[in-house]
Amino acid sequence: DAGITQSPRHKVTETGTPVTLRCHQTENHRYMYWYRQDPGHGLRLIHYSYGVKDTDKGEVSDGYSVSRSKTEDFLLTLESATSSQTSVYFCAISGGGVTQYFGPGTRLTVL
Amino acid sequence: GQQVMQIPQYQHVQEGEDFTTYCNSSTTLSNIQWYKQRPGGHPVFLIQLVKSGEVKKQKRLTFQFGEAKKNSSLHITATQTTDVGTYFCAEENSHFQGAQKLVFGQGTRLTINP
Repeated sequence: DAGITQSPRHKVTETGTPVTLRCHQTENHRYMYWYRQDPGHGLRLIHYSYGVKDTDKGEVSDGYSVSRSKTEDFLLTLESATSSQTSVYFCAISGGGVTQYFGPGTRLTVL
Repeated sequence: GQQVMQIPQYQHVQEGEDFTTYCNSSTTLSNIQWYKQRPGGHPVFLIQLVKSGEVKKQKRLTFQFGEAKKNSSLHITATQTTDVGTYFCAEENSHFQGAQKLVFGQGTRLTINP
């Protein structure tokens, strides 16, 4: 497996609180992605990064922001968590080839 | 936006039976990728299909891309318990600055009775 870690792996939080999820890679890959996975929806792209400080929105970006201050880290922030953001969040990386390599995921519950 | 419909949502088979999942679109698809996700795990890339009518095989797995590039399928021959998981198709919807935006189907969850 590619060197990708996500932290935390599980989190329970309350509505209205800020939450930051971290994706860390040791592969020096240029591209990083955040997806959410919900039953019946597959995986949906939230935001992605094509370089340090270079990010763009995916198909479900409302309520989320991201930052990438160095190659190895890509942060996903929920400024004010809502129950609709309860989900499993996956980070993925790519070196520019076909394959995206996924991290182990973070299970987030917003009460 | 672009939607990729995947059917069936669930499939339960006896070990040794075949399994097929289908990925359909009302518009022409660009490239298609297939991923497998084991229970409790993360998606793992299986294959990419690019050409109209393309057929690729990986051991007991056969991947097809329709002639009109509006559908794709994954067929598993003689399933084994190691095949358990959810199979996703994903369209390479667009590229920006080299980044690849994938649009995933809803997935087909395969369970197997040993």
